[in-house]
Amino acid sequence: SAVISQKPSRDICQRGTSLTIQCQVDSQVTMMFWYRQQPGQSLTLIATANQGSEATYESGFVIDKFPISRPNLTFSTLTVSNMSPEDSSIYLCSVRGRSGSETQYFGPGTRLLVL
Amino acid sequence: KQEVTQIPAALSVPEGENLVLNCSFTDSAIYNLQWFRQDPGKGLTSLLLIQSSQREQTSGRLNASLDKSSGRSTLYIAASQPGDSATYLCAVSPRGSTLGRLYFGRGTQLTVWP
Repeated sequence: SAVISQKPSRDICQRGTSLTIQCQVDSQVTMMFWYRQQPGQSLTLIATANQGSEATYESGFVIDKFPISRPNLTFSTLTVSNMSPEDSSIYLCSVRGRSGSETQYFGPGTRLLVL
Repeated sequence: KQEVTQIPAALSVPEGENLVLNCSFTDSAIYNLQWFRQDPGKGLTSLLLIQSSQREQTSGRLNASLDKSSGRSTLYIAASQPGDSATYLCAVSPRGSTLGRLYFGRGTQLTVWP
């Protein structure tokens, strides 16, 4: 299994500001995934973060709005830039299990409210 | 693009009932299907993972089935308990895509009352 922690757990931010969310995993993983869950909606993948390379963004998500860092195999950050109320969501970090396991593990999420 | 639908959106039952939660997906080309449980403030917990070649998986009171050809999965919860109250999410991993890229349904919000 994998244990994932996220910081902050929640935040209230003003329109136009940026927030950086941290994700820490208790083991080394090749890929980390960032998901968003808007109110009443399903989880949607924002991007896949590989260590040592640029993140791969899904359709509808761009690097300028959601820059991602992946400095090592256990840590990643997602920044939500120039926020608007539409960015109010839960942001979740996720990893796959160890090699050979396809089970997906998720962090507790960061609940963001933008005023 | 893969679309995942879950029915019902919400379910409220008395303790002890056996439950069936439904999930359907539009593209049968999948690596696997996973059922998750989401509790407020605690992220998602993986309950069961069914490989595309499998028909079902069981864990305790939970049983998940997969009919890939018809694009359907069901999660069966036996003898429900108040502690089962949570939102249950179904997610598929599309074949030909990076493992870990999951498509989720909106979930079934389950309430089990004593």
